[in-house]
Amino acid sequence: AAGVIQSPRHLIKEKRETATLKCYPIPRHDTVYWYQQGPGQDPQFLISFYEKMQSDKGSIPDRFSAQQFSDYHSELNMSSLELGDSALYFCASSLAPGLSDGGYTFGSGTRLTVV
Amino acid sequence: AQSVSQHNHHVILSEAASLELGCNYSYGGTVNLFWYVQYPGQHLQLLLKYFSGDPLVKGIKGFEAEFIKSKFSFNLRKPSVQWSDTAEYFCAVRPGGGADGLTFGKGTHLIIQP
Repeated sequence: AAGVIQSPRHLIKEKRETATLKCYPIPRHDTVYWYQQGPGQDPQFLISFYEKMQSDKGSIPDRFSAQQFSDYHSELNMSSLELGDSALYFCASSLAPGLSDGGYTFGSGTRLTVV
Repeated sequence: AQSVSQHNHHVILSEAASLELGCNYSYGGTVNLFWYVQYPGQHLQLLLKYFSGDPLVKGIKGFEAEFIKSKFSFNLRKPSVQWSDTAEYFCAVRPGGGADGLTFGKGTHLIIQP
């Protein structure tokens, strides 16, 4: 079965650079969630989208922005990168809120290293 | 806002031992509850979830969890663990019916010794 696809798998950037992470949800899933997991830490919710509109916002820094496109894939844009942004960034997808059985499917993540 | 507390950050067991990982949440309304497992170097995988109905939920790989509303708890159990259960386990909560993202506990690092 198709899973949530994230690209790239690994990314190395320098401080103050920008990065764009991509997430392709499971077919027919129209809701996308982004999480950040620092080394040895629990995942922190960043932001979610439903039908191309932002549906919820968590602890996403102002330097980050995200959007969901017409094909439901989502991109997380990160600017002015800091060393502390080094983390594993997970994307998850589900069916529409209210219709979903709530079992998100997580992608394998993008490991971002800022040097 | 909701929060999740996992009491044990590190647990070491021998194979065939019984497992119980504690999870308590704080939220006044209806919640959806989840347990996820993260094997070394891998992504989060859903073990089981509770939405409503029977408070004893059975998941994959022999895991189960019991929702006790009066105690705001959703503890994970397995009668007999295996070496392959070595992983990080996360409890998560979400307000029922919404589009909110999950709130995760800090995780429990489980090590099973052969």
